[in-house]
Amino acid sequence: DIQMTQSPSSLSASVGDRITITCRASQSISKYLSWYQQKPGKTPKVLIYAASSLQSGVPSRFSGSGSGTDFTLTISSLQPEDFATYYCQQSYSTPWTFGQGTKVDIK
Amino acid sequence: EVQLVESGGGLVKPGGSLRLSCAASGFNFNSAWMNWVRQAPGKGLEWVGRIKSKTDGGTTDYAAPVRGRFTISRDNSKNTLYLQMNSLKTEDTAVYYCTSVGELWNWLDPWGQGTLVIVSS
Repeated sequence: DIQMTQSPSSLSASVGDRITITCRASQSISKYLSWYQQKPGKTPKVLIYAASSLQSGVPSRFSGSGSGTDFTLTISSLQPEDFATYYCQQSYSTPWTFGQGTKVDIK
Repeated sequence: EVQLVESGGGLVKPGGSLRLSCAASGFNFNSAWMNWVRQAPGKGLEWVGRIKSKTDGGTTDYAAPVRGRFTISRDNSKNTLYLQMNSLKTEDTAVYYCTSVGELWNWLDPWGQGTLVIVSS
């Protein structure tokens, strides 16, 4: 199975900050990498698919990059509504696997 | 409007069975690959399994913790996805989400609102 390792597990940031979350796959997954945002008590929502494609309706301050084994999610200017938990997920081969999540909270 | 609505969750004893349903609307369910994802209380997301469209063979794949106990099926005439859960364990307690799968790059969207399964004696 492909293991997905996110870092950091949590981070504290301020509104306006630029933050980066990384996700590493245990083997190459090409660009079969998606990023999801989940707010407490809410359903996850896809932000990025194919490593760097922005889902329709998602603000442009979110961006993704990478291919192979190393990927990043960047929020260019953190907004109050961005405080949430973020997950990466590989869909290159089954079992499709998620990272453990990165919780972003207010400093 | 694209919509997925899960139902069937509840309280069940260890060793028991439960069947979840996911009613789809607003998109071509027949051609969609569909997933189940779960989330234990206070924990992260865990992929449960996937079923391909009938056109792509209708085959299923499962995560190791549920393989042999859970079965995913679909009824295209009813636009409904199912998750049959047998031999339930306390560690199966979670919110279960159904999701559709994006073409080519396999992203998960949309998601249903989830249904809570509690396995407890």
